[in-house]
Amino acid sequence: DAGVIQSPRHEVTEMGQEVTLRCKPISGHNSLFWYRQTMMRGLELLIYFNNNVPIDDSGMPEDRFSAKMPNASFSTLKIQPSEPRDSAVYFCASSLWGYGYTFGSGTRLTVV
Amino acid sequence: ILNVEQSPQSLHVQEGDSTNFTCSFPSSNFYALHWYRWETAKSPEALFVMTLNGDEKKKGRISATLNTKEGYSYLYIKGSQPEDSATYLCAFMDGGFKTIFGAGTRLFVKA
Repeated sequence: DAGVIQSPRHEVTEMGQEVTLRCKPISGHNSLFWYRQTMMRGLELLIYFNNNVPIDDSGMPEDRFSAKMPNASFSTLKIQPSEPRDSAVYFCASSLWGYGYTFGSGTRLTVV
Repeated sequence: ILNVEQSPQSLHVQEGDSTNFTCSFPSSNFYALHWYRWETAKSPEALFVMTLNGDEKKKGRISATLNTKEGYSYLYIKGSQPEDSATYLCAFMDGGFKTIFGAGTRLFVKA
């Protein structure tokens, strides 16, 4: 298995633009999590899905953020419109019934 | 509000020293406690998943213990090596699979 695949690895965008981050979890895993890493807050849980259903999105900063999981092999995290304070590394992770996470390589987002 | 705390925030040791860190977590609605090792510019890598009170796990020179009743876990590294330098994260998972990470303990091992 190739592990959790995230794309793009790096994204630089201008303030106000829409940004879409993508994640392909490990085949067979039933939980998917989106995290954001910043120097100030460390690793923050944004949203997680069980069996493609969003369970808890209380960590999503505001309405500009949205996440979808249309099927078991794909999820997106969208920011519209993006702001400089959204600059961070965004990680996707998947697990099977919570038994340990496998993290993707992350997407480093820079909003200028 | 779920609160996961790790201490110390950072630790500087000499090669060969043994060290340990603490993770404190809520003692209610416990499902699992995870430990991860996170090297700079890489993704967190799972070390242990612990589910039962009194659990002890070991992987080479690294071991961990779990006390779910009082809400803490210890991670031990015996005979630290420079390659052990990393951030060690713990994560509390509740019965609904919601997982909250601590801020981590940053370990620096000097040769």
